[in-house]
Amino acid sequence: SQQGEEDPQALSIQEGENATMNCSYKTSINNLQWYRQNSGRGLVHLILIRSNEREKHSGRLRVTLDTSKKSSSLLITASRAADTASYFCATVGSNDYKLSFGAGTTVTVRA
Amino acid sequence: EPEVTQTPSHQVTQMGQEVILRCVPISNHLYFYWYRQILGQKVEFLVSFYNNEISEKSEIFDDQFSVERPDGSNFTLKIRSTKLEDSAMYFCASSVETGVGEQYFGPGTRLTVT
Repeated sequence: SQQGEEDPQALSIQEGENATMNCSYKTSINNLQWYRQNSGRGLVHLILIRSNEREKHSGRLRVTLDTSKKSSSLLITASRAADTASYFCATVGSNDYKLSFGAGTTVTVRA
Repeated sequence: EPEVTQTPSHQVTQMGQEVILRCVPISNHLYFYWYRQILGQKVEFLVSFYNNEISEKSEIFDDQFSVERPDGSNFTLKIRSTKLEDSAMYFCASSVETGVGEQYFGPGTRLTVT
């Protein structure tokens, strides 16, 4: 299976702290994407990192990709209560065009 | 900002009934997708659609499912004879380029089969 797997499953942090979650996948990819889902809502695209990239930033988000280890991490710096959500990594394989999602990390930011 | 819309937001149907879930992708997007998320589980790919034909489908997307772009704006998912296990949140997505680019998701339709 191509699917990414996130770690940890759940994370609880204090507002202002950083949140780090990891994603591992099994086969070669074209790119890896991170999405956020607020409870019962749709998926919001956060950031895309291509297989030839190692690090990418977007605002308070930092994503790394290590294709040799088939893993990625998402760092949210200076977290806010509004960051409370589930975060999913999704991979796009080298030979297909669909997103394969992991099970997600549920992040709770305490005020 | 353009967004993907889906209707209805919640659909309740009896087992064996046909349902049609509707989506309006972002207007300049060319690639369309359906995903589903059973409560508490992963988001799963169902089908991708480009140039009025299916470009890829998963094992879930069996003969009970079909997709259509009946006009220039709507993209529909039909389930011919619903089963209890079809109960899930169904998400439509669209993208400018193939799945190698970012996909924009709609808010979802919660389908409840009783």
